Amino acid sequence: AQSVTQLDSQVPVFEEAPVELRCNYSSSVSVYLFWYVQYPNQGLQLLLKYLSGSTLVKGINGFEAEFNKSQTSFHLRKPSVHISDTAEYFCAVMGRRELVFGKGTKLTVNP
Amino acid sequence: NAGVTQTPKFQVLKTGQSMTLQCAQDMNHEYMSWYRQDPGMGLRLIHYSVGAGITDQGEVPNGYNVSRSTTEDFPLRLLSAAPSQTSVYFCASSYSMGTAFTDTQYFGPGTRLTVL
Repeated sequence: AQSVTQLDSQVPVFEEAPVELRCNYSSSVSVYLFWYVQYPNQGLQLLLKYLSGSTLVKGINGFEAEFNKSQTSFHLRKPSVHISDTAEYFCAVMGRRELVFGKGTKLTVNP
Repeated sequence: NAGVTQTPKFQVLKTGQSMTLQCAQDMNHEYMSWYRQDPGMGLRLIHYSVGAGITDQGEVPNGYNVSRSTTEDFPLRLLSAAPSQTSVYFCASSYSMGTAFTDTQYFGPGTRLTVL
């Protein structure tokens, strides 16, 4: 069965600092991985996804993630964050017929 | 396109009451699903549908019913509300969930439900 572990429940950073949100996955089938973002009081929207090919995936808003098969990781990174990046971020892996989500990481960007 | 719409946005129920959360999409998506979001728990799948007339259970289906009579609509019914069903409910849709899931799921804005 597929599962996702997000290693940090909360990540506080200062504006313009780099950030990494960590995600480890477990999957017994082909691996398809996703990062979604949820801004306060809103639904989720896709940041980026890994289906195949290059292990470095670029997404919206300057985010990128690297698929590492040997470490079963899919960490999300941004070189310089903005106040507007404050949100909750969810890593997800494709299951048989559903997305399996991690418990989320709350990113707080402070001035 | 309106995308995925959900009604109501907020709802307060008393224990034992029933209600239906509405979800509609105008993107002609085959796949639709319902999740609940609880603090520290992420999103958990309640039910999903791969097309009109076809539904299946997810991780936490107890206390909920669904039906899919049209491609556009996927209502979620709470038969007898319990305080444990207090949560935020999200509906999502995507083009397909075939043998290789490559399609982005589009989420609605959510329904915040409180059961007293």
